[in-house]
Amino acid sequence: AQKITQTQPGMFVQEKEAVTLDCTYDTSDPSYGLFWYKQPSSGEMIFLIYQGSYDQQNATEGRYSLNFQKARKSANLVISASQLGDSAMYFCAMRGDFPSGGSYIPTFGRGTSLIVHP
Amino acid sequence: GAGVSQSPSNKVTEKGKDVELRCDPISGHTALYWYRQSLGQGLEFLIYFQGNSAPDKSGLPSDRFSAERTGGSVSTLTIQRTQQEDSAVYLCASSLNIPPGPAYGYTFGSGTRLTVV
Repeated sequence: AQKITQTQPGMFVQEKEAVTLDCTYDTSDPSYGLFWYKQPSSGEMIFLIYQGSYDQQNATEGRYSLNFQKARKSANLVISASQLGDSAMYFCAMRGDFPSGGSYIPTFGRGTSLIVHP
Repeated sequence: GAGVSQSPSNKVTEKGKDVELRCDPISGHTALYWYRQSLGQGLEFLIYFQGNSAPDKSGLPSDRFSAERTGGSVSTLTIQRTQQEDSAVYLCASSLNIPPGPAYGYTFGSGTRLTVV
């Protein structure tokens, strides 16, 4: 079984500052993938960044980076230079790479609401 | 199509009525997922289709919920005798059902907001 925990229901950050959104996970899969999605008020889920469990380096995508600490089972999202448009819900998710039954159903956390202040 | 398309975008129905929600996945994506998102909550897995295999229905909350996928493409989620607790956003996603990498991530539709009055 997989479990994703996002302990911050809401976060506030000043525009242009950096913010870290926490995500811890639990899995028995030896190989897995971690994802972050952004959900603005319009409702669509937007893929941000991916980290493979055997990737040696932390993933980065523009202003997004993933602080992956495998031993601690954490995959925190770091947003640098926050913008007003970053205000949204952020979801952490994971999926085992070799699941029993062959179904790659991702498990999502409860999300963190980020508000960026001008 | 270019993205995952869901219809309707909004649906208001009376308690006890049946509703059908539609999802048109990305062409070529063999895997299709339905999730439910209640107000302020995370994504609750409902059902998963992969190719011609039997669907994984382990997330369906009751026998009032059912889904089908015709021709390995379009999927319909049906909720019978709707209840107020069924009010939520229903999200559909599709993917290539092969492992790792961002190229094989999940593409979501914009969802159907269901309100049961």
